[in-house]
Amino acid sequence: GESVGLHLPTLSVQEGDNSIINCAYSNSASDYFIWYKQESGKGPQFIIDIRSNMDKRQGQRVTVLLNKTVKHLSLQIAATQPGDSAVYFCAENRSSGGSNYKLTFGKGTLLTVNP
Amino acid sequence: AAGVIQSPRHLIKEKRETATLKCYPIPRHDTVYWYQQGPGQDPQFLISFYEKMQSDKGSIPDRFSAQQFSDYHSELNMSSLELGDSALYFCASSVGPPGNSPLHFGNGTRLTVT
Repeated sequence: GESVGLHLPTLSVQEGDNSIINCAYSNSASDYFIWYKQESGKGPQFIIDIRSNMDKRQGQRVTVLLNKTVKHLSLQIAATQPGDSAVYFCAENRSSGGSNYKLTFGKGTLLTVNP
Repeated sequence: AAGVIQSPRHLIKEKRETATLKCYPIPRHDTVYWYQQGPGQDPQFLISFYEKMQSDKGSIPDRFSAQQFSDYHSELNMSSLELGDSALYFCASSVGPPGNSPLHFGNGTRLTVT
């Protein structure tokens, strides 16, 4: 079946380095994507979103890139800090029929920032 | 800023018992979603409500039911609990019909079935 998934399950970086977390999706009809950060014992926290009519969006220290040609999404974190250590999920807002949509999560990537 | 409130934070039940999880969305959010997350797993969509009507259904067992009330809070009712129901249950809320805006999650209810 169609799914959203991540290339790398774990990523370890040095403090101050830039991090890139990748995500592949297979439903070309999906038009809205969200990145979430989840710390231990907490709910997913919204980071940034992007619609399919854009290929790049920037936030504070984060950038999301969308390549619809190869159905690829990435999250770039600049100057990674220890507080960025968490599991990161990409999520795809996919139509489930008619006007119904549901947010489908990919497999998470554990980001570890070494001081 | 106000966030999604879930209660209880932790719940321990025995097999075949029932459980009720509550969710209070962010003020003025009219859409509520329920997700289940097993250890080391991604959140799995269960069910959603928009303006107090069920808008979509995912992998929710028939033993579970949910509703959204007039004040927009939602409850997830779980009956005949099984060991496999042990998980984190997250509620999320958003503005408008599903698909229009990002979901904001609560910190979940950890259900343990013994």
